Amino acid sequence: ETGVTQTPRHLVMGMTNKKSLKCEQHLGHNAMYWYKQSAKKPLELMFVYSLEERVENNSVPSRFSPECPNSSHLFLHLHTLQPEDSALYLCASSGSPYGANVLTFGAGSRLTVL
Amino acid sequence: DQQVKQNSPSLSVQEGRISILNCDYTNSMFDYFLWYKKYPAEGPTFLISISSIKDKNEDGRFTVFLNKSAKHLSLHIVPSQPGDSAVYFCAARGDTGNQFYFGTGTSLTVIP
Repeated sequence: ETGVTQTPRHLVMGMTNKKSLKCEQHLGHNAMYWYKQSAKKPLELMFVYSLEERVENNSVPSRFSPECPNSSHLFLHLHTLQPEDSALYLCASSGSPYGANVLTFGAGSRLTVL
Repeated sequence: DQQVKQNSPSLSVQEGRISILNCDYTNSMFDYFLWYKKYPAEGPTFLISISSIKDKNEDGRFTVFLNKSAKHLSLHIVPSQPGDSAVYFCAARGDTGNQFYFGTGTSLTVIP
């Protein structure tokens, strides 16, 4: 596999469920990101990780919990979500968390919260 | 408040003609601007970028223009091809270097 891979591509969950989104990058990058794309809204940055350390957390509710066990993998743990959390969740990576020129995105995980 | 705005949600252009996609921003500290292209069921892919110290960058059929005084950039595609039909996102890099601000996207349809 090459690039940035996200699984699952589609997820439907109830408000009381616990699930996780997974992202894996095969580019040798050392920064990884979670973005949220809601309908008719711009992409919103959620989290930035550099070398497995979180360097940015954009006031995201605690029901979203990121985890970065190594520079190639990024998870987004989900629990007690709300219907308004339904969105496309995009993972991205870059060569550096500071002064990065380009983000490489995965195909996204489409989340529906019932 | 949105710092990067794409005021046209959609655009239709005849094949062979020029497509012009526009983007406005509010933060004068943005130092780097990018355009991404997104097909359905795929993630955004990088298309072209421009540094704030330049006013034009060209790559084949794609040219990005930056007008810093107006806080405006545009993407020109010429000639437009049906395969260019996609959603185009404008993005700007913040002064901390690790935040990219995106617009809401413009859906381009190139009619054969």
